[in-house]
Amino acid sequence: NAGVTQTPKFRILKIGQSMTLQCTQDMNHNYMYWYRQDPGMGLKLIYYSVGAGITDKGEVPNGYNVSRSTTEDFPLRLELAAPSQTSVYFCASTPQVGATEAFFGQGTRLTVV
Amino acid sequence: GQQLNQSPQSMFIQEGEDVSMNCTSSSIFNTWLWYKQEPGEGPVLLIALYKAGELTSNGRLTAQFGITRKDSFLNISASIPSDVGIYFCAGPGNQFYFGTGTSLTVIP
Repeated sequence: NAGVTQTPKFRILKIGQSMTLQCTQDMNHNYMYWYRQDPGMGLKLIYYSVGAGITDKGEVPNGYNVSRSTTEDFPLRLELAAPSQTSVYFCASTPQVGATEAFFGQGTRLTVV
Repeated sequence: GQQLNQSPQSMFIQEGEDVSMNCTSSSIFNTWLWYKQEPGEGPVLLIALYKAGELTSNGRLTAQFGITRKDSFLNISASIPSDVGIYFCAGPGNQFYFGTGTSLTVIP
């Protein structure tokens, strides 16, 4: 069972470059989330989506964009990478609002130099 | 947004010791969850609590849903080296809220 799959696992970007972090889930979950985790810190919500075509900002959305054209995919876009975006990024999904378990991908470790 | 604060922030304990950590919220939750994140991995669900006052066990782990519905507690008995990781509390809502995390180091 694939679950939530994130690519790439690691990436180094130069300041000002752009990239897309891919996230796909095969569980037909409606809700998907993007979190960032800075070293020694908890998870901060960047963006979330309650279904295809619907996205909303979380706690730290600045510098990021998302889209949700299908139920399966929820890519996260960094347009102008900055050192402050160095972090580990996690994608997660749940079947519906209030669901008791979020399923996580293995994370993407991003370094901006 | 809702704030979930965990304490302690980090713990260094000897193998075999018991561990206690807690999570407090600024708002009421109807469900409390505890996740564990091992190094280099995403968080994985350990225990789910659905009712105020509920006490639930999963092996050496025991979690309690506080009576006020604004807090929860996690205990680990007889810790072993593989208990190392970051433990997060979480509350599901329209967003999935995570606590600040408790980092656990077990010294053999």
